[in-house]
Amino acid sequence: AQSVAQPEDQVNVAEGNPLTVKCTYSVSGNPYLFWYVQYPNRGLQFLLKYITGDNLVKGSYGFEAEFNKSQTSFHLKKPSALVSDSALYFCAVRDGGTGGFKTIFGAGTRLFVKA
Amino acid sequence: DAGVIQSPRHEVTEMGQEVTLRCKPISGHNSLFWYRQTMMRGLELLIYFNNNVPIDDSGMPEDRFSAKMPNASFSTLKIQPSEPRDSAVYFCASSLKGGSHTGELFFGEGSRLTVL
Repeated sequence: AQSVAQPEDQVNVAEGNPLTVKCTYSVSGNPYLFWYVQYPNRGLQFLLKYITGDNLVKGSYGFEAEFNKSQTSFHLKKPSALVSDSALYFCAVRDGGTGGFKTIFGAGTRLFVKA
Repeated sequence: DAGVIQSPRHEVTEMGQEVTLRCKPISGHNSLFWYRQTMMRGLELLIYFNNNVPIDDSGMPEDRFSAKMPNASFSTLKIQPSEPRDSAVYFCASSLKGGSHTGELFFGEGSRLTVL
């Protein structure tokens, strides 16, 4: 069975500083990994995904994520945080090996960016 | 594209009443997912469909919950009878299932259910 862990409930960062939101995963087959963002009273929005290829994936709003197979991690990063980046971030995984479509989400990490 | 459309956006009902949540996926998408979000349990997958067929309903909490997808453009999640612990935000999401199953999910705005 697949699973996702986001070890931090909350991340605080000052505007202009780099940010990292951590994610580790567990799947039996090839991992398909995703990051989503949720703003208050809204649905989740897709940010980026890793399926195969380059370990550094670039996505929307200047976000990127680094896939590390040996550490089974997929951390979300941004070089310079904005106050408007404050939101709830979810890491998600699908087991590409099974050919199924079941997508499991982590518990979420709340990002606060201070001006 | 209109995106995933859910209704109602808010529902307040009394314990024991039937609740029906509705979802219209993005046109052309062939996979549909129902999730439930609560503070305590986070985002839980309830059930998902491929080509209108339920594939995995292992997340449906109990027999009071049922979901249908009579055609490619409509799905319902029904709770009968409802209980206060069903209070949550219910999200519908759709995706395009390609040969490599890599499609991201597109979420609706959610239906906030309060059972008194």
